[in-house]
Amino acid sequence: EVQLAESGGGLVHPGGSLRLSCGASGFLFSNFWMSWVRLGPGKGLEWLATIKPDASDRYYVDSVKGRFTISRDNAKNALFLQMNSLRGEDTGLYYCARATTLWPPAWFDPWGQGALVTVSS
Amino acid sequence: QSALTQPASVSGSPGQSITLSCTGSSSDIGAYNYVSWYQQHPGKAPKLIIYEVTHRPSGVSNRFSASKSGNTASLTISGLQAEDEADYHCSSFTLRFTVIFGGGTKLTVL
Repeated sequence: EVQLAESGGGLVHPGGSLRLSCGASGFLFSNFWMSWVRLGPGKGLEWLATIKPDASDRYYVDSVKGRFTISRDNAKNALFLQMNSLRGEDTGLYYCARATTLWPPAWFDPWGQGALVTVSS
Repeated sequence: QSALTQPASVSGSPGQSITLSCTGSSSDIGAYNYVSWYQQHPGKAPKLIIYEVTHRPSGVSNRFSASKSGNTASLTISGLQAEDEADYHCSSFTLRFTVIFGGGTKLTVL
């Protein structure tokens, strides 16, 4: 069974940092583009970042560019999101999601259960 | 880049057919056939129900169908059932090689 499990969420002060992890199982992780998507309170889903299977290419939404970094460890079947300079509007439920094997990484299936990030003083 | 536009809420009676809309631009929905739809029940992760405008993943009910015309995509749910009550999110790949979502539509089954 394909499974994704996020960890590392929590409460952080504005300006602080947090690193999310996502453990993958049940599929050949190194073959897939992988992404992070968040759900803000009272908002819709927001795609944040996508990384190529071999980590040689990454894409970000403008609102997190320069603050967030997506990375992966194919040997450990793990995906990461390093979040720096956090703001209140970054509060939300952060999902790890498997994209496609081929270009473009245009849809996500499946998704993890999410990690809650709260940015507040 | 602004989010795709979805109605905040729609409702329907059991057995009815309803259609949800998702409006974008020539830079996203109008540019490619890479529109996806996701169903999300409260407290659950989003579930892919449509990809590449019209394709249903294995295991998704054929009561779900979708289409696209110009910059607008549509999801139709036929034979509405109580279990269909959920939030529905559309998304599209964009010319900037990013993915954009809509604000989501809350479907209520009366």
